[in-house]
Amino acid sequence: GQQLNQSPQSMFIQEGEDVSMNCTSSSIFNTWLWYKQDPGEGPVLLIALYKAGELTSNGRLTAQFGITRKDSFLNISASIPSDVGIYFCAGGSQGNLIFGKGTKLSVKP
Amino acid sequence: DGGITQSPKYLFRKEGQNVTLSCEQNLNHDAMYWYRQDPGQGLRLIYYSQIVNDFQKGDIAEGYSVSREKKESFPLTVTSAQKNPTAFYLCASSIQSGYRNTEAFFGQGTRLTVV
Repeated sequence: GQQLNQSPQSMFIQEGEDVSMNCTSSSIFNTWLWYKQDPGEGPVLLIALYKAGELTSNGRLTAQFGITRKDSFLNISASIPSDVGIYFCAGGSQGNLIFGKGTKLSVKP
Repeated sequence: DGGITQSPKYLFRKEGQNVTLSCEQNLNHDAMYWYRQDPGQGLRLIYYSQIVNDFQKGDIAEGYSVSREKKESFPLTVTSAQKNPTAFYLCASSIQSGYRNTEAFFGQGTRLTVV
């Protein structure tokens, strides 16, 4: 079946750093979505992308729909403590949504 | 307020018992989904429904059952046939028409523990 490779699996951030994560697939998707999940809660939609090459921002978050339609990245600029959590990418086509395994963002000790 | 509501938040079940998780939405969405999440894993699709009185199996449907008698409601039953039911269960809904039909909105989840 379709699979998404999301990387990195985890990363540690210091306040003020920029963060980047990405998802790749061997399959083509019509939609790329990025979600954030806090512990014990449901994922919350951050950004939705619908067109190859599309670059969309939501505050300090920026995401792009890859030209090949097989990848997407999410950048977080000037990170703050409340950015910690798990970020999921999801690729959509024909009403189906496939999720990556998530990138866990933690604060550096 | 419009949204998607799951209940209960926490649920404990004895081995061998069936248990039903509730999911209700007032977003007027046609499609509803159930996902299972295990620690360190992504979301795996159990069942989905695109219209009332119709539903399809996802990737891990064995040991689960659903019904869709009303547009607003999509309850999930975890049966005794599910060998490893302890997990975090997430319900989601989305509109069905147009290019935004995969933009899923999630409930707050139900954590099921078998004791």
